[in-house]
Amino acid sequence: QKEVEQNSGPLSVPEGAIASLNCTYSDRGSQSFFWYRQYSGKSPELIMFIYSNGDKEDGRFTAQLNKASQYVSLLIRDSQPSDSATYLCAVGDSGYALNFGKGTSLLVTP
Amino acid sequence: NAGVTQTPKFQVLKTGQSMTLQCAQDMNHNSMYWYRQDPGMGLRLIYYSASEGTTDKGEVPNGYNVSRLNKREFSLRLESAAPSQTSVYFCASSGWRTYEQYFGPGTRLTVT
Repeated sequence: QKEVEQNSGPLSVPEGAIASLNCTYSDRGSQSFFWYRQYSGKSPELIMFIYSNGDKEDGRFTAQLNKASQYVSLLIRDSQPSDSATYLCAVGDSGYALNFGKGTSLLVTP
Repeated sequence: NAGVTQTPKFQVLKTGQSMTLQCAQDMNHNSMYWYRQDPGMGLRLIYYSASEGTTDKGEVPNGYNVSRLNKREFSLRLESAAPSQTSVYFCASSGWRTYEQYFGPGTRLTVT
């Protein structure tokens, strides 16, 4: 069983702060890593993907990957109330299927 | 581009009834997927189609069948609905040799 673990939260951060979301995975053969944002009652929206060790930045979002520690994280800088959502971590191996974590609920308070 | 579309948005079935959930994408993607999402369980893969003409079982295929009608369309059929199939169903697609999946808006299904 390929496990993807996330803290369910809620993670509460004040507006303007950095939100740090974490994810660990069990399959050492994993090759692709994704972060999805899901607002209540809506579908998952892809916001970041990373394939290599290190950091990848896109606007206010930074994805960090450490394959040796089997750890991937998402940093959201200058958090806004509109960032309040559930963030899903997804991990893929060399095939097509992704394994999803159960998500971390983020609440950004004004 | 509409991306990934799904019909219907909502459906209520009685136990034992059958129905087909429709999914279409206009992104010229090769691979398509069906997931269900339940509270506390996360997203679980039901079936996927790596390319036109192929389908494979995911984590939770029992009680479902799929058809890859053409490159654009991938349908999910419940032959005899059960209350345990009450869920939100999402279709997704991804391109050739890329693994980023893009999701449709979902179908909320209730089986009574």
